[in-house]
Amino acid sequence: AQSVTQPDIHITVSEGASLELRCNYSYGATPYLFWYVQSPGQGLQLLLKYFSGDTLVQGIKGFEAEFKRSQSSFNLRKPSVHWSDAAEYFCAVRYSGGGADGLTFGKGTHLIIQP
Amino acid sequence: EPEVTQTPSHQVTQMGQEVILRCVPISNHLYFYWYRQILGQKVEFLVSFYNNEISEKSEIFDDQFSVERPDGSNFTLKIRSTKLEDSAMYFCASSARGDGGTQYFGPGTRLLVL
Repeated sequence: AQSVTQPDIHITVSEGASLELRCNYSYGATPYLFWYVQSPGQGLQLLLKYFSGDTLVQGIKGFEAEFKRSQSSFNLRKPSVHWSDAAEYFCAVRYSGGGADGLTFGKGTHLIIQP
Repeated sequence: EPEVTQTPSHQVTQMGQEVILRCVPISNHLYFYWYRQILGQKVEFLVSFYNNEISEKSEIFDDQFSVERPDGSNFTLKIRSTKLEDSAMYFCASSARGDGGTQYFGPGTRLLVL
């Protein structure tokens, strides 16, 4: 069965510091990987996605993620966080690029920004 | 920028009552989804819908749930007889053909069953 692991439940980072949120997915030949962000009381906003090609993908709000097949990972990074980045971050995977397959989500990482 | 909308934003109901959650997907999208998120837990897939029929469903999506696209714009999730454990945030999503199945989510409906 598909699974996604986000090993960090909470992460606290100082404003201006760099950030890396970890995500590991269960093995699959062709994973389609996504990061979503959920601000308090809000829906899920797509940050970025990876299907194929360049393993470093850029997203909105200055985020990027790197796909590493050998490690089954798709970690999210940002060089300098802002207080507005405080939110819940979800990694998700599907194993087909078409059709109506549902996404499998990780449990999320709650990001806290210290002033 | 087009977005998925959901109504109502909050709903409180009594156990055993029927509820209908409504969604308007992005207009040129063909695939529609419902997910739920119990408080403090991860987002879970319920069902997907394409070409006026269910395409895939999870084990959570039992006989008390149903989905419908009653017209060209709305997509609904009905819970026939609500239970306390149905209390959750319910998200609708939609995706276009191609684009790697990228799903765009609505703001959610928070359902509280008393």
